Amino acid sequence: AQSVAQPEDQVNVAEGNPLTVKCTYSVSGNPYLFWYVQYPNRGLQFLLKYITGDNLVKGSYGFEAEFNKSQTSFHLKKPSALVSDSALYFCAVRDTGANNLFFGTGTRLTVIP
Amino acid sequence: DTEVTQTPKHLVMGMTNKKSLKCEQHMGHRAMYWYKQKAKKPPELMFVYSYEKLSINESVPSRFSPECPNSSLLNLHLHALQPEDSALYLCASSQRAGGYNEQFFGPGTRLTVL
Repeated sequence: AQSVAQPEDQVNVAEGNPLTVKCTYSVSGNPYLFWYVQYPNRGLQFLLKYITGDNLVKGSYGFEAEFNKSQTSFHLKKPSALVSDSALYFCAVRDTGANNLFFGTGTRLTVIP
Repeated sequence: DTEVTQTPKHLVMGMTNKKSLKCEQHMGHRAMYWYKQKAKKPPELMFVYSYEKLSINESVPSRFSPECPNSSLLNLHLHALQPEDSALYLCASSQRAGGYNEQFFGPGTRLTVL
């Protein structure tokens, strides 16, 4: 069975400050992990993914994520937040051998000018 | 072309109508997906097509009928829908189903059932 949790419904951060959006997962095998962003009334945009190898993954728009196997976490980070980063962020996981992509409940990020 | 397109953008239909949603991609992807998304909720998987064959049907009611005419096109035929079916319907594609393949999403069709 696979599951993913995003413990924070809402994250507020001041513009220019670092941001973190948290994600923890549970899989029976090795995980493939993804982050997506969704702007209002739009589809999801792929940001980055973890397959294997380096625990720090760099993605689009200056975002990065750190894979931590012992804590089963895959937190999304950005060193300096922009107002335009305000959106809904989804973490997703797929177990090896599975076709389904399982999404977390989403975290709304608001960057305050 | 790295885009998934969906038509129409908005659709309003009565409970007795028949309508279709369309999705197209020209990235050479061989897996295509339909998701349903309610406001402020994550997308819920409905169907997966792999090499134009239906591989996953997540127990979706028969009033939703998917069709994959070729590797670039995916349709969702709607008939006798209920008001609770109102949602954003997202199409996605990936190189292959499963594994480490990320999915590319279209902008969605906002469906309202009266």
